[in-house]
Parts: sequence; C-alpha cells; structure tokens
Amino acid sequence: DSGVTQTPKHLITATGQRVTLRCSPRSGDLSVYWYQQSLDQGLQFLIQYYNGEERAKGNILERFSAQQFPDLHSELNLSSLELGDSALYFCASSVRRLAGVYEQYFGPGTRLTVT
Amino acid sequence: TQLLEQSPQFLSIQEGENLTVYCNSSSVFSSLQWYRQEPGEGPVLLVTVVTGGEVKKLKRLTFQFGDARKDSSLHITAAQPGDTGLYLCAGVRGTSYGKLTFGQGTILTVHP
Repeated sequence: DSGVTQTPKHLITATGQRVTLRCSPRSGDLSVYWYQQSLDQGLQFLIQYYNGEERAKGNILERFSAQQFPDLHSELNLSSLELGDSALYFCASSVRRLAGVYEQYFGPGTRLTVT
Repeated sequence: TQLLEQSPQFLSIQEGENLTVYCNSSSVFSSLQWYRQEPGEGPVLLVTVVTGGEVKKLKRLTFQFGDARKDSSLHITAAQPGDTGLYLCAGVRGTSYGKLTFGQGTILTVHP
C-alpha cells in the first residue's frame, strides 16, 4: 500500500460524457502527478500540482483538466470523452529526497472504459 | 521517439536464469528510478539512482546508473516466478520538479 488513494477503481461511461477521478496523496506530500497509461502509449505524464498550484503540464488534452484542493486531494476531470480515452489513470505523490530527486508513489489507478 | 528507450520489450525466461534490462537515452537525467508494475495495479518504486556510476542492490536485483547519467540497467540474478511483471525505468531531467519520463517498459515472464 503506497498510501495514495484513488477513486473510483473502475469507471464505465459513454462517449461524450464527463467524469471526475479523485486522488488523495500520501500524508505530508504536497505534489500530485497524474498519468495516463494505455497499451500503445505507455505511461504518459499529464499534469502536476504542488500545494494547490499547477507546476508542470505534459501531454494533457484540452478536454482534460485538473485541480488540487486546499486539503491537497486532487481531481482530474475528463470531458467529451472519446473511445481513445479508455485507459488506466494513475495519480502519484512525491517526496523530495535531495535537490532534483523526487520519489513518486503511485495509487492503484482508475480504469476508465469509454463505450 | 521515446526519450527513454528500454530493451528488450519482452523477456521470457526460465526460473534460475539471469537477465539484464537496459534503459538508454541521449539526454542527461538528474535521477533515474526503476518501478515494477503488476497487471491492474500502480507502479511500485524499486530504487532511485542519482550519481553517475552508482550501483545499488536490492536482494537479487542490481541497478546501475551510467557514468554520464544517460543510461541505466537492471540485472536480476537467478530469476524467480515472483519476479514476473512490467519493469519501467523513469527519469527526472534537470529542474522538472520531479516530473517523470517513462520508458516503454519491459514485460518479464519467469517460467517455473
């Protein structure tokens, strides 16, 4: 158990719909990262938040958005869903060990299936 | 083009054999991490290497960071069926605040 929690575990929805994925980081971790994992693309970084502020953006579509709340939990919102959005979505939180060294701990993921 | 190239992509071996997985890049990383992932679960951190030339051991697993901090390897001695899984290398570049760039992964199957 990494200490990072994600809900829901599974989500099945139809094309065009909107869903919200939720993540709670490990106690004390200020950074939250979101990743998408699909068979053809591997693990792709989407976005990072640090203490409520967006810090880095990766390959995140405009239809996707995220935020981090004062209690540090984060939500990833996916809208106008397409079949190709079906994937595993992971959240991770990190602890800074040394300058430039961050160890990330991943949640169990949310499996999104768009039909 | 992947920033981090892992090889091989698939590895199927018998219990007791040794194996090495490689992670290569043309870019320098400030740190590199190895993760193991089981189907339907999140990646689990195995090790972090920071210094060029660094070698770390975790039981039967040996991790090495290249001298120039552009590549890394994972060597498993006497593989066991419990080692089966997806192995991922991931690197942090410069001041990217911990943003990880992942390799495509190596799917290891160890047959009893």
